[in-house]
Amino acid sequence: DQQVKQNSPSLSVQEGRISILNCDYTNSMFDYFLWYKKYPAEGPTFLISISSIKDKNEDGRFTVFLNKSAKHLSLHIVPSQPGDSAVYFCAAIRGAGSYQLTFGKGTKLSVIP
Amino acid sequence: DGGITQSPKYLFRKEGQNVTLSCEQNLNHDAMYWYRQDPGQGLRLIYYSQIVNDFQKGDIAEGYSVSREKKESFPLTVTSAQKNPTAFYLCASTGTGIGSNGYTFGSGTRLTVV
Repeated sequence: DQQVKQNSPSLSVQEGRISILNCDYTNSMFDYFLWYKKYPAEGPTFLISISSIKDKNEDGRFTVFLNKSAKHLSLHIVPSQPGDSAVYFCAAIRGAGSYQLTFGKGTKLSVIP
Repeated sequence: DGGITQSPKYLFRKEGQNVTLSCEQNLNHDAMYWYRQDPGQGLRLIYYSQIVNDFQKGDIAEGYSVSREKKESFPLTVTSAQKNPTAFYLCASTGTGIGSNGYTFGSGTRLTVV
């Protein structure tokens, strides 16, 4: 049973517009969420995270929103740039000190110049 | 610079052969992980180790084996029992607990069975 779901396998956005990547989770015990960015043939790199005690975290062009009641989070990229084209993975942790991340299947973002 | 090194970048294996993928980290991290990535499947956990000489199976451990004899090293052996070994393999590590930045990943090994 998939506990972290990214229901959109792909997303295309015009350069300069907003990209919104969505993630849903089923396990209410998750209390920390992360987004990773991955280019082909490379390892994922950490992008941004959010604790369950917050509903928003911002870092430059990247903002993550968390709606705990809906068990939903989203990553906003504004403005989108061609270099943002990559696969984005949503991940969740259960409990402080936990050693294991649970990943979604990823969303491939294409930013069109 | 500290980081995780996976080698080789590309690996070809004949059917029926075992092959070992290397993963070394100099981050002094306690925990290490092996993931497999297939198109449309995301990242699936194969094995993980929280301390030296101890490791646990992940979601798709069948056909794989690991060892953790040193804190810095966590090699993965893909055995002939693995039915569909062609994939992109990622090694990761983290310190005590995952922390705010999650895992540090290596650059991956692309394994192709020919």
